[in-house]
Amino acid sequence: GDSVTQMEGPVTLSEEAFLTINCTYTATGYPSLFWYVQYPGEGLQLLLKATKADDKGSNKGFEATYRKETTSFHLEKGSVQVSDSAVYFCALMTTDSWGKLQFGAGTQVVVTP
Amino acid sequence: EAQVTQNPRYLITVTGKKLTVTCSQNMNHEYMSWYRQDPGLGLRQIYYSMNVEVTDKGDVPEGYKVSRKEKRNFPLILESPSPNQTSLYFCASTIAGSSGNEQFFGPGTRLTVL
Repeated sequence: GDSVTQMEGPVTLSEEAFLTINCTYTATGYPSLFWYVQYPGEGLQLLLKATKADDKGSNKGFEATYRKETTSFHLEKGSVQVSDSAVYFCALMTTDSWGKLQFGAGTQVVVTP
Repeated sequence: EAQVTQNPRYLITVTGKKLTVTCSQNMNHEYMSWYRQDPGLGLRQIYYSMNVEVTDKGDVPEGYKVSRKEKRNFPLILESPSPNQTSLYFCASTIAGSSGNEQFFGPGTRLTVL
């Protein structure tokens, strides 16, 4: 079945450091890929998405590129801020299971001043 | 403001006492679903609804019921809660159609079953 694997956390960084969170997936067909972010005490918000191979999603300084050859969608940010402290979820959706997001386990990111 | 609302936000109950968690969206979305979030497991889909009166099981439906009598509301019902249903629950909604559409999540309901 479809699945998403992302690196375990917590990831602790200093402010202005470079952030990478690895995400790989297994899916039939050509899924859409997403990164959602969950700030403390809140629901999930869409951070960025990519719907086909080689697409790059970007938002708020975060980027991720849909790599079909490596089945990956790694999240990157060049210079993190304390306000980026959150839990980040990689997810996919296939046309076979339209509407259902298949999530990774989540990666907690802690940014210290 | 476009949003998904859930109530209650926090609930502590005892085994076997029926409860309902409400979910409402104001975006006229056809598709609504419920997820539970557990440490190390991410979010898993419990039930979903493609439209009014159309519901189906997700990956972890045991012990839950849902109904969709109106387009905006999608309540989650636990007829006889058990401690293994202690979790953080999220309702989500989206427009029917493309698999690239954003899903909008509610703020979550933290349920503890003693």
